[in-house]
Amino acid sequence: SQKIEQNSEALNIQEGKTATLTCNYTNYSPAYLQWYRQDPGRGPVFLLLIRENEKEKRKERLKVTFDTTLKQSLFHITASQPADSATYLCALVDGSGNTGKLIFGQGTTLQVKP
Amino acid sequence: KAGVTQTPRYLIKTRGQQVTLSCSPISGHRSVSWYQQTPGQGLQFLFEYFSETQRNKGNFPGRFSGRQFSNSRSEMNVSTLELGDSALYLCASSGGTGLTYEQYFGPGTRLTVT
Repeated sequence: SQKIEQNSEALNIQEGKTATLTCNYTNYSPAYLQWYRQDPGRGPVFLLLIRENEKEKRKERLKVTFDTTLKQSLFHITASQPADSATYLCALVDGSGNTGKLIFGQGTTLQVKP
Repeated sequence: KAGVTQTPRYLIKTRGQQVTLSCSPISGHRSVSWYQQTPGQGLQFLFEYFSETQRNKGNFPGRFSGRQFSNSRSEMNVSTLELGDSALYLCASSGGTGLTYEQYFGPGTRLTVT
């Protein structure tokens, strides 16, 4: 069956450390993978998109990797801050071209302690 | 640019009633998607509209329907409400031609069915 999985347990880290979140998928062949941040009571906010031919993408303190062989994406936040505390969601497009469904993982809650 | 707006923000309905939710995308965006978010199932794709056409639909019963107008504003309708329809309903718009582009989410409509 098709699955997209993120660590369901909350990730607690100390301020200044690097947070690494994992997104694994099964029986999908996404051409793109996206990461979003969601704060309680709000809609998700787009962070990064990575294509299958890109191994790594960076934006400020954020880094995403995409390994289509392992069927995994890793999301890193370096020099983490308490303001980074939120739920992070990965999403992939199930389908081809510009159509399809955007499938979200359940999200990983990150708590950065000062 | 103004963000994605959704109305109403909160709604309480009774089982068996129907409800219509509204979404105004970011100006210039032609793709609008709808999602249902619950604690148990996470974010689930409902459907996507582009230029007034539904391009894809998730695995929801026919009680869930939507439409898009020529100005890209979208509505979704749920008929014969069930208790399990209580959820946060999110819409997202995209400036690209589809789901492979970043999605800009609205704040959501919190629907409670009693």
